[in-house]
Amino acid sequence: DTGVSQDPRHKITKRGQNVTFRCDPISEHNRLYWYRQTLGQGPEFLTYFQNEAQLEKSRLLSDRFSAERPKGSFSTLEIQRTEQGDSAMYLCASSPSTGKAFFGQGTRLTVV
Amino acid sequence: GQQVMQIPQYQHVQEGEDFTTYCNSSTTLSNIQWYKQRPGGHPVFLIQLVKSGEVKKQKRLTFQFGEAKKNSSLHITATQTTDVGTYFCAGFTGTASKLTFGTGTRLQVTL
Repeated sequence: DTGVSQDPRHKITKRGQNVTFRCDPISEHNRLYWYRQTLGQGPEFLTYFQNEAQLEKSRLLSDRFSAERPKGSFSTLEIQRTEQGDSAMYLCASSPSTGKAFFGQGTRLTVV
Repeated sequence: GQQVMQIPQYQHVQEGEDFTTYCNSSTTLSNIQWYKQRPGGHPVFLIQLVKSGEVKKQKRLTFQFGEAKKNSSLHITATQTTDVGTYFCAGFTGTASKLTFGTGTRLQVTL
């Protein structure tokens, strides 16, 4: 499978716990995006990387969220001290610069 | 910041009727892309438009990019039940910019 893969597919965590998600993009894609999507809404931009450089982070994102792409390949998104409002689908996408984006299946986070 | 709005938010049509969704950006776009998301699925790329006034067709789907590169539309002729899903436009404001998604239009098609 040469598509975008995300792990885990589902995560249930207690409020206050830290969680980390992983995204493996298509190997030749230099751009990697993280989005958050709640029911009935469009993908909300969180952050994106061009190779290993994090070029932009949403101003809506609190300091509890951090993302890395250490070698310009896979990426991780960490949420510290989770809150119930963090419950959502977290989508990763990769693309060749401003070309079409390929999405992974997403990680569904439920904070209880 | 950049905002991308779509109307309508939701449309319910009978199979065979036409459907159009409109996308409006608060800023000029360098290109616009359209995605379809089936219920329970993830967004899947449909098409990209780059030139001012560009029109592209894919079978029953017609995509337009406005002259000012701030709006776009997707028209589906003679809808089918397989067209059910949410349609998103998404755009870049420049080569170093992020891909910003619109609010989406959910299409429901019934027999």
